[in-house]
Amino acid sequence: AQSVTQLDSHVSVSEGTPVLLRCNYSSSYSPSLFWYVQHPNKGLQLLLKYTSAATLVKGINGFEAEFKKSETSFHLTKPSAHMSDAAEYFCVVRNYGGSQGNLIFGKGTKLSVKP
Amino acid sequence: EAGVTQFPSHSVIEKGQTVTLRCDPISGHDNLYWYRRVMGKEIKFLLHFVKESKQDESGMPNNRFLAERTGGTYSTLKVQPAELEDSGVYFCASSQLAGAGNEQFFGPGTRLTVL
Repeated sequence: AQSVTQLDSHVSVSEGTPVLLRCNYSSSYSPSLFWYVQHPNKGLQLLLKYTSAATLVKGINGFEAEFKKSETSFHLTKPSAHMSDAAEYFCVVRNYGGSQGNLIFGKGTKLSVKP
Repeated sequence: EAGVTQFPSHSVIEKGQTVTLRCDPISGHDNLYWYRRVMGKEIKFLLHFVKESKQDESGMPNNRFLAERTGGTYSTLKVQPAELEDSGVYFCASSQLAGAGNEQFFGPGTRLTVL
């Protein structure tokens, strides 16, 4: 079975400082991992995805994530936070046990960015 | 290109009433998914259509929920009769393919409140 655990429900940073959102995964297979973001009153938007190619994955808006098999982690980072990054972020793993496509979500991390 | 759209954006109903949620996927996307986020919980998979066929409905909570996808285009999710615990945000997503790594495009969600 697959699962993801987001280690922080809330993270607060100052504008211009680094962002780190932590995610650990559990998977019986080589996982497909994603980070999605949801801004208020908007749909979920894909930030980046890992599908067993390069372990360092670059996404949109300056975000990146590193797949570390030894640590079963897939943390999301950004060197410098912008006010517009304030949103809720979801770490997601594809469910290989179900239909070929359904996603398993973490509980989400709300990111606040202070001026 | 239009994204995934959902209607209505909000619905407030009383316990025992019926509500129908609609999702219009991106044109040409054969795969359509429904997910739900109940207050304070993670987003959870409900079901997956491939064209008009239900590929996987393992996440449907009970037989008060009925999903259809007429002609393989838009989909509806009916809750009848609604209960208090059905309150939450219902998301629809679509994708061209269902394999590993294929992006699911999400709609903005329908917020359902059952009083």
